[in-house]
Amino acid sequence: DQQVKQNSPSLSVQEGRISILNCDYTNSMFDYFLWYKKYPAEGPTFLISISSIKDKNEDGRFTVFLNKSAKHLSLHIVPSQPGDSAVYFCAASGETSGSRLTFGEGTQLTVNP
Amino acid sequence: GAGVSQSPRYKVAKRGQDVALRCDPISGHVSLFWYQQALGQGPEFLTYFQNEAQLDKSGLPSDRFFAERPEGSVSTLKIQRTQQEDSAVYLCASSLAWGQGKNQPQHFGDGTRLSIL
Repeated sequence: DQQVKQNSPSLSVQEGRISILNCDYTNSMFDYFLWYKKYPAEGPTFLISISSIKDKNEDGRFTVFLNKSAKHLSLHIVPSQPGDSAVYFCAASGETSGSRLTFGEGTQLTVNP
Repeated sequence: GAGVSQSPRYKVAKRGQDVALRCDPISGHVSLFWYQQALGQGPEFLTYFQNEAQLDKSGLPSDRFFAERPEGSVSTLKIQRTQQEDSAVYLCASSLAWGQGKNQPQHFGDGTRLSIL
């Protein structure tokens, strides 16, 4: 039962353009969402989070949008840079899911110079 | 230290051996988590501590897996009688606060890559 899904295994964009990474979830009790970036042989690095009381959170080049009715969130990176090339994971938690973060399978982003 | 520190970075063991993986969380973080990550997948939750108390161990796959955090800081994940399916990256994360609507981001270490031969 995959409660958090990232349906695109990979995404390729040109440097300077916008990257949009998508994530869907099935558990309506999730109320806290995070995006992580992961380089090979390193642990996930926290990027940005959003709680369910908001529909948007912005931090520099990164913006996360939450659509609760559609159970969908997205991460926008603008402008994209080659150093953004990594695997991006979305993760979710809620009181009914207890202590855990539930992760998606990840999307490999490649930003071409 | 500045971040979550895990050791060893790589561990190779023969099937049937016991292994111990160490996690040093960010100073002041009361919440500590262990995750298991298989190749090409997202991390999967194993267990959670708040200070020294293990509040959730529902993700531990079998009774061969045991975690402790006796003084509320460093944590050790122990796997007894290792099997080949235990091969994975084991990630530790810590957070300033977790639960009861006060979630703060979990920050991860670089993991221990465990290979069972």
